[in-house]
Amino acid sequence: ETGVTQTPRHLVMGMTNKKSLKCEQHLGHNAMYWYKQSAKKPLELMFVYNFKEQTENNSVPSRFSPECPNSSHLFLHLHTLQPEDSALYLCASSQHTDRTAEAFFGQGTRLTVV
Amino acid sequence: AQSVSQHNHHVILSEAASLELGCNYSYGGTVNLFWYVQYPGQHLQLLLKYFSGDPLVKGIKGFEAEFIKSKFSFNLRKPSVQWSDTAEYFCAVNARTGANNLFFGTGTRLTVIP
Repeated sequence: ETGVTQTPRHLVMGMTNKKSLKCEQHLGHNAMYWYKQSAKKPLELMFVYNFKEQTENNSVPSRFSPECPNSSHLFLHLHTLQPEDSALYLCASSQHTDRTAEAFFGQGTRLTVV
Repeated sequence: AQSVSQHNHHVILSEAASLELGCNYSYGGTVNLFWYVQYPGQHLQLLLKYFSGDPLVKGIKGFEAEFIKSKFSFNLRKPSVQWSDTAEYFCAVNARTGANNLFFGTGTRLTVIP
C-alpha cells in the first residue's frame, strides 16, 4: 500500500463511452501526475498538477480531460477513446517543493478500449 | 525536454550473477536521477536516487548506482542477484529547476533464474 489509491483497477469501455478514472492520496502531497504505461514504451507523462493547478499537458489528445478538485484527488475523464489508448494508467503524487522527493504511485487502472 | 534511454529491454541472469542495467539521459541542465522498481503485480516503488554529493549511491536490497556526469549515465548495479529481484526496473530524471516533471525510460525487465 503506497497511500495512492486508484479506481477502478480494470476498465473496459467502448469507443463511444464516457468514463472517469479516480486517484486519491492522503499523503499530504501537493503534486499529482497521470502517466500512461504501454508495452515497450516509456512511461508517458500526461498531466501534472501542482497545488491543484495544471502545470503540464504533455501534448495529450483532448479526449483525455484531467480534473483536480483538491490536492488529494485527481480524475481523468475519458471520452471517445481509440483502441490505441488501451494501456495502464498510473497516478502518482509527490511534494512539489522537493524535486528530490520520491513519487508514490498507485497500482494503476488497466484500460481496454474496444 | 529531458529524455531517458534504457538500452537493455530484457535481461536474464542466474542467481548470484552480477547485474548492471544501463541508463542514459539527455538534458542540458542539472538533474535528479532515480531508479524505480516494479515487482510483478505491485506498484512502482523507489529503489534509490541521486541529487548531490557522492556519485555512488546505495539503495535498498543491495542495489547501487553511479552517476557519471560526463557520460550522462546513471547505471544500476548489484553484485549478486537473487530470484526475488525479478522485476521491471525504470530509470527516471527530473530537472532541478523549471517544470517539475518526472520522465521515465522504457524500463528493463529482469528475470533471475534460480
